Amino acid sequence: GNSVTQMEGPVTLSEEAFLTINCTYTATGYPSLFWYVQYPGEGLQLLLKATKADDKGSNKGFEATYRKETTSFHLEKGSVQVSDSAVYFCALSRDSNYQLIWGAGTKLIIKP
Amino acid sequence: NAGVTQTPKFRVLKTGQSMTLLCAQDMNHEYMYWYRQDPGMGLRLIHYSVGEGTTAKGEVPDGYNVSRLKKQNFLLGLESAAPSQTSVYFCASSPLENGPQPQHFGDGTRLSIL
Repeated sequence: GNSVTQMEGPVTLSEEAFLTINCTYTATGYPSLFWYVQYPGEGLQLLLKATKADDKGSNKGFEATYRKETTSFHLEKGSVQVSDSAVYFCALSRDSNYQLIWGAGTKLIIKP
Repeated sequence: NAGVTQTPKFRVLKTGQSMTLLCAQDMNHEYMYWYRQDPGMGLRLIHYSVGEGTTAKGEVPDGYNVSRLKKQNFLLGLESAAPSQTSVYFCASSPLENGPQPQHFGDGTRLSIL
């Protein structure tokens, strides 16, 4: 069945470091892929998305490329800030009801 | 810019009590969802609705009921609360458009069952 696997956290980095959070998926067909971010005490917000192979989603300095050959959608940012500290969720769409299959989330901690 | 509004934000219940969580969205979205979030387990879908008057079971529906009498509202009910239902509950909505659309989330309801 469909599933999403994320790297376990927490991931701890210093400010201005390069970030990669790995996400791989298993799915039939051609799912759409999403990254959501959850700041402390808040709900989830869409960070970026990609709807077909080789698409690159980007927002707020974050990027992720839909790699069908490796079934991956890794999240990257060139220089992280303390304000990027949050939990990041990878997700894929499924069937016509547009339900999402979620990864377990990766907590990111950025130290000044 | 209300978006998705959940009430209440916090609640403590005793085992066996009942309560209803309310979700309201002002974006005219067709689809609405209820999730629970537990440490290390990400989000799990409880129930969802594809339109007014319709509901369907998600991944973990046992112990919960839902209703969607009005398009903008999606209610989650716990008839007899159990400690295992201690969690943070999120409501989300998404539009009916061509292709998968992102979901819009409320800020959550933190529920503790003693």
